[in-house]
Amino acid sequence: KQEVTQIPAALSVPEGENLVLNCSFTDSAIYNLQWFRQDPGKGLTSLLLIQSSQREQTSGRLNASLDKSSGRSTLYIAASQPGDSATYLCAAASLQKAAGNKLTFGGGTRVLVKP
Amino acid sequence: DGGITQSPKYLFRKEGQNVTLSCEQNLNHDAMYWYRQDPGQGLRLIYYSQIVNDFQKGDIAEGYSVSREKKESFPLTVTSAQKNPTAFYLCASSPWGMGAHNEQFFGPGTRLTVL
Repeated sequence: KQEVTQIPAALSVPEGENLVLNCSFTDSAIYNLQWFRQDPGKGLTSLLLIQSSQREQTSGRLNASLDKSSGRSTLYIAASQPGDSATYLCAAASLQKAAGNKLTFGGGTRVLVKP
Repeated sequence: DGGITQSPKYLFRKEGQNVTLSCEQNLNHDAMYWYRQDPGQGLRLIYYSQIVNDFQKGDIAEGYSVSREKKESFPLTVTSAQKNPTAFYLCASSPWGMGAHNEQFFGPGTRLTVL
């Protein structure tokens, strides 16, 4: 059974510092890995999707890497801003055909960027 | 605007009552999903549907029921058999097919509270 872990659970940085968010998963047989952002009381916003054949994916200040062999993905946010304060969740999509496109989520990292 | 809508935003239920949460999408996605989120935790899959008139149990289906009579709609009923229904409920949709591009998109969520 896939298990996804995000450490630390919370992170506080000064504005301008680069953010590094970690995600680890136990089963390397994944289709893809998604990173999401969640603001308090809101739904999830998809940030990046990395296919299992890719090593990294970039969008603006965001860069996500994927290392299936070690069961790790990292989300980098460059030059953090107070507006980046949110909870960031990673989720792994199962490769098992019977499982369809099921996502297994980590518990999230709550980020606070201080002005 | 294309997207996923959920209603109501807030819902209060008395013990012993069944309640139904609405989820509608106009993204022309085949697959739809229901997740539950508890404070400080990641999302857990309740039910998912790959196609109209078909749905599968997720990891925590007990006490819940769904229907998929139309491609656009995937309502979730929380029955009186669900012992701890207070949570934040999120609906998602994605294209279907065993590919690596099946990015899931989420609605704004419904917060259910049992009185």
